[in-house]
Amino acid sequence: DQQVKQNSPSLSVQEGRISILNCDYTNSMFDYFLWYKKYPAEGPTFLISISSIKDKNEDGRFTVFLNKSAKHLSLHIVPSQPGDSAVYFCAASGGAGGTSYGKLTFGQGTILTVHP
Amino acid sequence: EPEVTQTPSHQVTQMGQEVILRCVPISNHLYFYWYRQILGQKVEFLVSFYNNEISEKSEIFDDQFSVERPDGSNFTLKIRSTKLEDSAMYFCASSVERQRGYTFGSGTRLTVV
Repeated sequence: DQQVKQNSPSLSVQEGRISILNCDYTNSMFDYFLWYKKYPAEGPTFLISISSIKDKNEDGRFTVFLNKSAKHLSLHIVPSQPGDSAVYFCAASGGAGGTSYGKLTFGQGTILTVHP
Repeated sequence: EPEVTQTPSHQVTQMGQEVILRCVPISNHLYFYWYRQILGQKVEFLVSFYNNEISEKSEIFDDQFSVERPDGSNFTLKIRSTKLEDSAMYFCASSVERQRGYTFGSGTRLTVV
């Protein structure tokens, strides 16, 4: 199942710089997209989401951009901090004619390392 | 901040045995989910539960799996006869609305030997 793909397994960034994490999807029925952050031995933690009726959503240092025509979304973290080092997952939901009960389809994750 | 609580954090079981993984969702949440992550692989959806019944399930969730909300606070996942390939982290999650960022628990690591 490759409906949601994160093609970069890892990303390394200097503290204070921008981190850009990318995600592509293939299912045009997805209408809600989310980013989660995960530390080892913990569950995923919700970061930010975006509905398909928007192309940008911002929350503090985190901004998610959605390009529906390209079926692409990205997460920008500015400025990056060492505490942001974690695995980042994008996820998508929706489709099934509106009968989906919130099932999320996850990407493989990108390991972000922010160096001091 | 409200949490989703999962117990145990680690469970080791023999192949063929039944296991029950337990979860206490956030109290005012209405939608409940189980996901799993096999080591090195994606987080995969197993099942969603709403209004005391399964609302959606994946092809992974076969007859060996069942879910229950026995007392209005706990939400359990039962695997009837475990297989080696059931070894994974199992995450419970809950949400107030169906299309919002749900809250995940810390997971139960299931090891089948």
